[in-house]
Amino acid sequence: GAGVSQSPSNKVTEKGKDVELRCDPISGHTALYWYRQSLGQGLEFLIYFQGNSAPDKSGLPSDRFSAERTGGSVSTLTIQRTQQEDSAVYLCASSPAPGQGTYLHFGNGTRLTVT
Amino acid sequence: DQQVKQNSPSLSVQEGRISILNCDYTNSMFDYFLWYKKYPAEGPTFLISISSIKDKNEDGRFTVFLNKSAKHLSLHIVPSQPGDSAVYFCAATAGTYKYIFGTGTRLKVLA
Repeated sequence: GAGVSQSPSNKVTEKGKDVELRCDPISGHTALYWYRQSLGQGLEFLIYFQGNSAPDKSGLPSDRFSAERTGGSVSTLTIQRTQQEDSAVYLCASSPAPGQGTYLHFGNGTRLTVT
Repeated sequence: DQQVKQNSPSLSVQEGRISILNCDYTNSMFDYFLWYKKYPAEGPTFLISISSIKDKNEDGRFTVFLNKSAKHLSLHIVPSQPGDSAVYFCAATAGTYKYIFGTGTRLKVLA
C-alpha cells in the first residue's frame, strides 16, 4: 500500500520568503507528526496531530512555524519569513493511534535550503 | 536536554561480523524503545522495538537488548551485510505519543 507522501522532495528558497510543505499520511492513520533533522542532528519533534484533538505544538521553534491538518488527513507545515537556520530535512510521519506496538511510518522528507 | 543519546556518531564493521550500536537514555519513565534505519534521501524505517518489560527482542539478524538499570539499549546485527550500511536511530517513548530520538550512528559495513 501507499506510504507517507511528502512534497516537494526538495525546496530552495530565498531568505525571507514563506514556504509550505505538504504531507499525505497513510490512509487510516489517525496520528500525524512533523519532525526536523538539521545537519548532524537527530530528529527534532515539531508538532503532533491526533484525530480531532488539539495539536501538540510544543516543538515548534518559533511563531514563524505553523501547521494544520485538514479533514484528519493531509497536513501542511508553513514556515514564514524563512531564515538560513531553517535549512533542514522536514520529515512527516503517521501512525495508528499511539500505543505500545505501534511505530511511526516516515515519508522521505522535504529537504529545505534557505539561501 | 538530550534524553536519548547515541554517543558513537559512526561505526565500521567487516561484512559477516557483528555490529553493535548503543543508545543511552536518562528518563526512567521511558517504557518502549525502537530502532530505525535510514538510508540517504529516504525517511527512517522501523526496524525493531522492545518493551520495558523485556530485556531482549530478536527478529532475524537483529536483536535489541535492554538494560533498565543502566538505562542502556543496544542493537546487534549479525551477520552484518553491506546493505546494512545506513544511519541507525534509537527512539524512546514514555507511554505517550511523543517519540524522542537520538542523534544517530552511521554504520558502514565493509565488503
